Formats: sequence, structure tokens, C-alpha cells
Amino acid sequence: QQPVQSPQAVILREGEDAVINCSSSKALYSVHWYRQKHGEAPVFLMILLKGGEQKGHEKISASFNEKKQQSSLYLTASQLSYSGTYFCGTGGTSGTYKYIFGTGTRLKVLA
Amino acid sequence: DVKVTQSSRYLVKRTGEKVFLECVQDMDHENMFWYRQDPGLGLRLIYFSYDVKMKEKGDIPEGYSVSREKKERFSLILESASTNQTSMYLCASVMGGGDTQYFGPGTRLTVL
Repeated sequence: QQPVQSPQAVILREGEDAVINCSSSKALYSVHWYRQKHGEAPVFLMILLKGGEQKGHEKISASFNEKKQQSSLYLTASQLSYSGTYFCGTGGTSGTYKYIFGTGTRLKVLA
Repeated sequence: DVKVTQSSRYLVKRTGEKVFLECVQDMDHENMFWYRQDPGLGLRLIYFSYDVKMKEKGDIPEGYSVSREKKERFSLILESASTNQTSMYLCASVMGGGDTQYFGPGTRLTVL
């Protein structure tokens, strides 16, 4: 069962903030976040390995609530370059070789 | 620089044809994956392989098979293509003990 992401799509103006949620019906050992720009391959953003861990850079960060089997991606003061589809995923060294990705969130930032 | 390549960016096939999608990575990664990407459904895992000649089913293996004869190459086979297999197919690789997936550019397959 793949993780469910919300919202499915979001449109922002430059400078606005956004939150993308990832919810799993199964236990999460780790959470990965990827961004795919239009016509390109998904690219790794970050991984969270421990419950409660928050990681990221100043404007893109993420949190991981192991108990609730949820993760959230925070985009602050969005830029045009943030546009794309964001995927959460789970699997890897902390759990299994079987990597499962979420349903995706399309984000568009307008000038 | 890390590189995952896929044999075609665009492919058009007829219903019933046998289709081969090839993926090659140059990073000596143990693990390789095939996903299909459809609007609203995200990336769904078809098959993965954690070693040469080893394969495991993902969430949607029906209608597909895979082959991994060499470490760097992972092939996805559609034995008899059907219109519901029209999709974007993405290959990825991960090194043993690693977490980061490296994706290829994708193959957009249309089955008529």
C-alpha cells in the first residue's frame, strides 16, 4: 500500500509557504523526499531516518512522526524553481530493499 | 558523475507486441528498480532486483517480467503489451546499504 500524499496539487505565488503531507498505513522506518521537475527524472531532496527528526535547508525542510506514520515537507518563501511534483517514499537500509513512493503532489509556483 | 540511462525516451508499440525497456547504471549499484508513473497514482513499483539474477515483485508486477543478467543492466519486459500499459516508466538504482535512489530520464510508452 503506497503512502498517500496531500494535497494532490497546490498553486502558490512566489514567496508563499506550502506544506505537503505524506501518510502511510504501514510503519515507516525512514522517509525520503524527491522532487521531479517537468520532463526530468526525480531527484533526491532528503531522508529522515529517526522518528521526530527534522532535516533540511533553510527554505525546504521536513519532519517525521514515526508514531503517526506521517511525514511533512515544508517549503518556505517558495521560488519559481520549486515547481514540480514532490514524492515521499519509504524503504531502504532502515527497513527493506522494497522502496515505495507516495501518490505525489504537484506544486506550481507563479510569479 | 552518477548516471542511469534508459534505452528510449519515447516508444510506440502495438497491442500484443513484446516490448523491452532497458536500463543501465554506471555506478556499480547492487539494487535496481522499475516504476511506472501515472497521474494521480505517483510512482508504483513493478519489480526490483537486489543482485544479479535476483528479482522480487513490487506492487504491480502483473503483465511484466524482468531480467538482470549483469549488474549494470536491468530490463523490463512486457510480454504482450496492452493499452493499459501506456505509461511513463522510470528505472532507478541504489547502492548496497544506501538510501538515495538515482533515476533514469524515463521512457514514455504508448501502446496503440
